[in-house]
Amino acid sequence: ETGVTQSPTHLIKTRGQQVTLRCSSQSGHNTVSWYQQALGQGPQFIFQYYREEENGRGNFPPRFSGLQFPNYSSELNVNALELDDSALYLCASSLVVGLARNEQFFGPGTRLTVL
Amino acid sequence: AQSVTQLDSQVPVFEEAPVELRCNYSSSVSVYLFWYVQYPNQGLQLLLKYLSGSTLVKGINGFEAEFNKSQTSFHLRKPSVHISDTAEYFCAVSPGAQGGSEKLVFGKGTKLTVNP
Repeated sequence: ETGVTQSPTHLIKTRGQQVTLRCSSQSGHNTVSWYQQALGQGPQFIFQYYREEENGRGNFPPRFSGLQFPNYSSELNVNALELDDSALYLCASSLVVGLARNEQFFGPGTRLTVL
Repeated sequence: AQSVTQLDSQVPVFEEAPVELRCNYSSSVSVYLFWYVQYPNQGLQLLLKYLSGSTLVKGINGFEAEFNKSQTSFHLRKPSVHISDTAEYFCAVSPGAQGGSEKLVFGKGTKLTVNP
């Protein structure tokens, strides 16, 4: 069973640029969530996708957007990068069936540095 | 809205000593509670979770936690720690069985350092 994978591992961008981060869900999972973890902080919920539609969003501006594909892999896009966007971005997948709450499995993250 | 407070940012302890990492939460609705561990340069791994039922929850690696509704706490304990337990520990909550997204709200973390 393959776990959650993310690419790239590290990324350096400059202010104002755009970035796309990728996540492959664990096999059989239909839901993916993205979190931002700034240095020395706990992860903060960005948004969640369920069956290719956004299913909840945290307190992040619209320049943070996402996609979920039919194979349940996902992308996080950030436009007009700011210095404060520097963080570890974590992807987590889970299997949601009705109201049942199953464990979210986290990937190793992508470390984004904005200069 | 939910929030989580982890009362200690750093906890140093000697090997084989007991440890308690404290977590308090606030919520106007019922919640599920979680503890995650993060080793350096890795993602988060679930240690244990409380959804319902017994308030004492046992997890992996010998950890356990007790849900106390009246004190809105979910403290993590281990009777005897090992060097390999050195890591960052995060307490998290999510809305209970009301449906909707499974948004996890995390505390700021507690860095546990186990010294020989």
